[in-house]
Amino acid sequence: QKEVEQDPGPLSVPEGAIVSLNCTYSNSAFQYFMWYRQYSRKGPELLMYTYSSGNKEDGRFTAQVDKSSKYISLFIRDSQPSDSATYLCAMSGGAGKSTFGDGTTLTVKP
Amino acid sequence: GAGVSQSPSNKVTEKGKDVELRCDPISGHTALYWYRQSLGQGLEFLIYFQGNSAPDKSGLPSDRFSAERTGGSVSTLTIQRTQQEDSAVYLCASSNQLYSEAFFGQGTRLTVV
Repeated sequence: QKEVEQDPGPLSVPEGAIVSLNCTYSNSAFQYFMWYRQYSRKGPELLMYTYSSGNKEDGRFTAQVDKSSKYISLFIRDSQPSDSATYLCAMSGGAGKSTFGDGTTLTVKP
Repeated sequence: GAGVSQSPSNKVTEKGKDVELRCDPISGHTALYWYRQSLGQGLEFLIYFQGNSAPDKSGLPSDRFSAERTGGSVSTLTIQRTQQEDSAVYLCASSNQLYSEAFFGQGTRLTVV
């Protein structure tokens, strides 16, 4: 079983919808939780970076971490066609390397 | 430079040949990572360099893979005797301290034929 499991998708939503992306994990040592966005044929870019449990908001994006359930989520409000990409969750125990989920491909239709 | 630079962008090689992939991190970043991404998959950790410490090589899949970082800056990932299963996008990232944001390059798309 993988340390990080990500809802596989793909996900297709109309413009303006609220999107929920989710990952679960098994390693209790993970303390740093990240969401990356990756456009086709590009490298991943960091969207959200959270330490331990709680919520973090940045514009239309909200990251939630529930360490007791070993569950993290990324919410996108008022989704736009430009949000169409693959979203990767990643986690780290603080030792440098991160463990990534397999990604969820999101398409936002105008 | 302005970002992490990787070269070449694309590489097609024959099975059994050796290849070298280069990563030029953001100036001043002490941490450098190599990951591999196969089609439709997440990122697989390969190796991590932090300052002058011994690198974490725990993710290298076989002894055909090696990497070095010269002068704490540029890194080269070498794959010897390439196999078809080595075909993937190889991504490099750097960060300026242990827990901060990692910036990724565009990747090198390796195809072994």
